[in-house]
Amino acid sequence: GEDVEQSLFLSVREGDSSVINCTYTDSSSTYLYWYKQEPGAGLQLLTYIFSNMDMKQDQRLTVLLNKKDKHLSLRIADTQTGDSAIYFCAEMANSGAGSYQLTFGKGTKLSVIP
Amino acid sequence: EAGVTQFPSHSVIEKGQTVTLRCDPISGHDNLYWYRRVMGKEIKFLLHFVKESKQDESGMPNNRFLAERTGGTYSTLKVQPAELEDSGVYFCASSSLRTGEQYFGPGTRLTVT
Repeated sequence: GEDVEQSLFLSVREGDSSVINCTYTDSSSTYLYWYKQEPGAGLQLLTYIFSNMDMKQDQRLTVLLNKKDKHLSLRIADTQTGDSAIYFCAEMANSGAGSYQLTFGKGTKLSVIP
Repeated sequence: EAGVTQFPSHSVIEKGQTVTLRCDPISGHDNLYWYRRVMGKEIKFLLHFVKESKQDESGMPNNRFLAERTGGTYSTLKVQPAELEDSGVYFCASSSLRTGEQYFGPGTRLTVT
């Protein structure tokens, strides 16, 4: 079965870079996603990467994918206090019932110290 | 463009009662998904609609849960009768048939006492 693992907590100083790591097990994953959840809010799609890519950059966000090791990371450059949130890693894979569903990790709570 | 909306934002009911959650997807999105996060656990897939048809309901916990999407627009998820272990946050997401990006609603926090 699918399993997505990520560390539960990360604390960084404002202005530093944050790196949130994730490992997954389903080699048939098509897309891998990062979602952000701020307190009291829903899940916001931050960025995603197609499984045949190694890297994707979007402003302060860099996603790295090592498909061989099934390792995904999200780097946030110049981390700001507004980046404090829970970050969820998710993989999309075919459920076998003709449906592409997301499998989530438990989320990494990022705390930014001013 | 309005995002995915869910109603209510929070529901507190007693064990044995019935609750109906509603989800309005982004206009034009044929795919609609329900997910659930119970305390301390991962967000788990419940089911997937394509238009009004159930494509995959392999994640539904048991027959106390009934999802519908009449007309292929909004969807409802009914829990009858509710049990304590049903407490959690129920998320709805939608996507177009062209892309795989699922956009989530704010969730409904269900508390069963």
